[in-house]
Amino acid sequence: AQSVTQPDIHITVSEGASLELRCNYSYGATPYLFWYVQSPGQGLQLLLKYFSGDTLVQGIKGFEAEFKRSQSSFNLRKPSVHWSDAAEYFCAVGDRGFQKLVFGTGTRLLVSP
Amino acid sequence: NAGVTQTPKFRVLKTGQSMTLLCAQDMNHEYMYWYRQDPGMGLRLIHYSVGEGTTAKGEVPDGYNVSRLKKQNFLLGLESAAPSQTSVYFCASSYLTGTTHNEQFFGPGTRLTVL
Repeated sequence: AQSVTQPDIHITVSEGASLELRCNYSYGATPYLFWYVQSPGQGLQLLLKYFSGDTLVQGIKGFEAEFKRSQSSFNLRKPSVHWSDAAEYFCAVGDRGFQKLVFGTGTRLLVSP
Repeated sequence: NAGVTQTPKFRVLKTGQSMTLLCAQDMNHEYMYWYRQDPGMGLRLIHYSVGEGTTAKGEVPDGYNVSRLKKQNFLLGLESAAPSQTSVYFCASSYLTGTTHNEQFFGPGTRLTVL
């Protein structure tokens, strides 16, 4: 069965600084990988996804993520964080059968002035 | 195009009461899902459906039932609510492009409190 680990529960970043959120997955084959963002009181919005091909994927709001098969990782990055990026971020892995998603426990991003 | 909608947005129940959460999507998606979100635990899959008239158990199905009588609707029922079912419930839908699955689209959530 697939699983996802997000080792950082909270991260605080200064506005304008770079960001990297970690995600490690466990899956027997090449997975579908996703990053979702959740603002307080809201549903989840897709930031980006990896299905196949280029291992560096671009998403919305200036985010990108890199799939590293050798490290079973799919870390999310942004070169310059904005105050509006403060939210909770979830990494998820999907099986290629019925596309059930398994989510990590989330990383809450705080942005300091 | 409303996407995925959920009714109600908030609900308070007493232990033992029953209720149904409604999820509707207007994107003609085949797949629909119910998750619960609890602090520090991310989202966990309760039940899902791969098409009209079909449902299957997810990771945490106990205490819940579902029905998918129409393609656009996916109902989640609690027959006898328990305080452990206090949570935020999210519905999602997704679709296939050929044989490739696509991302899931989420509703805004239902916050349920069981006293």
